[in-house]
Amino acid sequence: GDSVTQTEGQVALSEEDFLTIHCNYSASGYPTLFWYVQYPGEGPQLLFRASRDKEKGSSRGFEATYDKGTTSFHLRKASVQESDSAVYYCALSDLATGGNNKLTFGQGTVLSVIP
Amino acid sequence: GGIITQTPKFLIGQEGQKLTLKCQQNFNHDTMYWYRQDSGKGLRLIYYSITENDLQKGDLSEGYDASREKKSSFSLTVTSAQKNEMAVFLCASSLGPYAEQFFGPGTRLTVL
Repeated sequence: GDSVTQTEGQVALSEEDFLTIHCNYSASGYPTLFWYVQYPGEGPQLLFRASRDKEKGSSRGFEATYDKGTTSFHLRKASVQESDSAVYYCALSDLATGGNNKLTFGQGTVLSVIP
Repeated sequence: GGIITQTPKFLIGQEGQKLTLKCQQNFNHDTMYWYRQDSGKGLRLIYYSITENDLQKGDLSEGYDASREKKSSFSLTVTSAQKNEMAVFLCASSLGPYAEQFFGPGTRLTVL
């Protein structure tokens, strides 16, 4: 079945540090890839998505590029702020495996930014 | 805009008890979902529904029932609560395939 792997379970950075969260996927079809962010006490919300190889998704200074060759969708931000502290989820949707917009999530990465 | 409301916010039950979680959305979305969120394991799909009275099992449906009473509401029942089911349950809705899923704030389940 489909799967998403986030390498980092927790990341601790100082403000203005560069962020990378690694996301690799396995899917039988040609999936759409997503990054969601979850702030304390809230449900996840969409950061951005990408549907094609080499497509870049971006929002609020975060970006990720769909790489079909390496099956990756790594999240990056050049300069993090304390307000970016949250849990980040990589996810995919693959209609080839059936169902209607079923999302498969990675295990999540807890980002803590120290002021 | 719209909102997803989940009730209750906190649910405490005894082991073996049947417990029901409720979700309402006013986006007028066709598809609704129930996920379970465990620390370090991400979100796992329990049930989803693509229209009123439709139900589809997710990867984690064992031990749960669901009901889509009308377009705007989707309920989840824990048939016999177990201590290893303590988690946050998230409801979501979306317009259709590849569309953004909008999530509620969650119900935290504690089993005594």
